Amino acid sequence: DTGVSQNPRHKITKRGQNVTFRCDPISEHNRLYWYRQTLGQGPEFLTYFQNEAQLEKSRLLSDRFSAERPKGSFSTLEIQRTEQGDSAMYLCASSRGNSRAFFGQGTRLTVV
Amino acid sequence: KQEVTQIPAALSVPEGENLVLNCSFTDSAIYNLQWFRQDPGKGLTSLLLIQSSQREQTSGRLNASLDKSSGRSTLYIAASQPGDSATYLCAVRPDTGNQFYFGTGTSLTVIP
Repeated sequence: DTGVSQNPRHKITKRGQNVTFRCDPISEHNRLYWYRQTLGQGPEFLTYFQNEAQLEKSRLLSDRFSAERPKGSFSTLEIQRTEQGDSAMYLCASSRGNSRAFFGQGTRLTVV
Repeated sequence: KQEVTQIPAALSVPEGENLVLNCSFTDSAIYNLQWFRQDPGKGLTSLLLIQSSQREQTSGRLNASLDKSSGRSTLYIAASQPGDSATYLCAVRPDTGNQFYFGTGTSLTVIP
């Protein structure tokens, strides 16, 4: 069990640029989640995959955000035309069904 | 929508004390509840998972209880150590739906 892996750990980008984050879940986990966390707050749900199907998206996920999970393995989260308000920690988690969820170390995004 | 509240927001105790962190939720129709630890700038580490049919779970110096009908969970930490200093988050997974809902966390400082 190598845990959930997220890359990169940190990303600094200029406003208006596109960024892409990657999440590698625990290999036998069929569910994958993306959350966003700002300073002093709890994580907020963005989207959820069961295998390769994206089954739920939060209203927080504007049309500038897109997520994929091809082949039901790793997932990517892309943010287009970044804004300063997108600065946050982006967290990925995986689970086998409704069992315990395991989180990665997160990707810290700073938009300047 | 499920609302999760954690009180207190911050707690400072001398080393060796036993302490209790509180988590309350508004909708008792939950599938499970999970406690996490988060160190500054890091991801979430899963501590304990309690299924809705369970009353408590123990792991080492940690004990989590669940009173589903009253919408409450507590995390008891025995004989606190400076290494326990972190933010503790609870997350509720509802009976229906695919996401889990987080509180804003309790920031714990254990003073040597």
